[in-house]
Amino acid sequence: NAGVTQTPKFRVLKTGQSMTLLCAQDMNHEYMYWYRQDPGMGLRLIHYSVGEGTTAKGEVPDGYNVSRLKKQNFLLGLESAAPSQTSVYFCASIDGGPLLNTEAFFGQGTRLTVV
Amino acid sequence: GENVEQHPSTLSVQEGDSAVIKCTYSDSASNYFPWYKQELGKRPQLIIDIRSNVGEKKDQRIAVTLNKTAKHFSLHITETQPEDSAVYFCAASIDVMKTSYDKVIFGPGTSLSVIP
Repeated sequence: NAGVTQTPKFRVLKTGQSMTLLCAQDMNHEYMYWYRQDPGMGLRLIHYSVGEGTTAKGEVPDGYNVSRLKKQNFLLGLESAAPSQTSVYFCASIDGGPLLNTEAFFGQGTRLTVV
Repeated sequence: GENVEQHPSTLSVQEGDSAVIKCTYSDSASNYFPWYKQELGKRPQLIIDIRSNVGEKKDQRIAVTLNKTAKHFSLHITETQPEDSAVYFCAASIDVMKTSYDKVIFGPGTSLSVIP
């Protein structure tokens, strides 16, 4: 049981390049989230999804897009990377089922540097 | 939308002393308040949580209290140990069924150092 897996773990991009971060969970969770973590600012919510085919904006959605075509995968896209998007990105999932199990399980993080 | 504030941003305590971290939230509809611990270079992990129908919850050396009227909640760690050193995040969310969106909003974190 792998839990939540993020791909890649590290990446360096040049300004203007695009990339997609993949989050995969094997726990059949309904809810999935993308956060960015910057020093002194905690975990800020970028986008989230409450089920397959749904997405919604979080606190800091600008410059990012997401898709949830399959329940187990949540993709985060950067169309034109900027240095301000240098951060550590965490994906998380929550069961969201009728037992109201609301513990968030996090991936290991992706360290992205935009130069 | 929900806004979660957390204080202090850094906290140093002597081993064996207690540590208290406080959080406030803005959305009175929030009803679920988890705390996560993040050790250096690792992912955040849930350590304790509380729902709005409970005023206090305890798990060994860790306790959380909630004041719904004042919209604040606190983490208490007693008999601190060096392995308690980490960044602690509080969070707030609206724990509802699938018909509503369930955003989990985190506070900015508290870096706790336990000095041996």
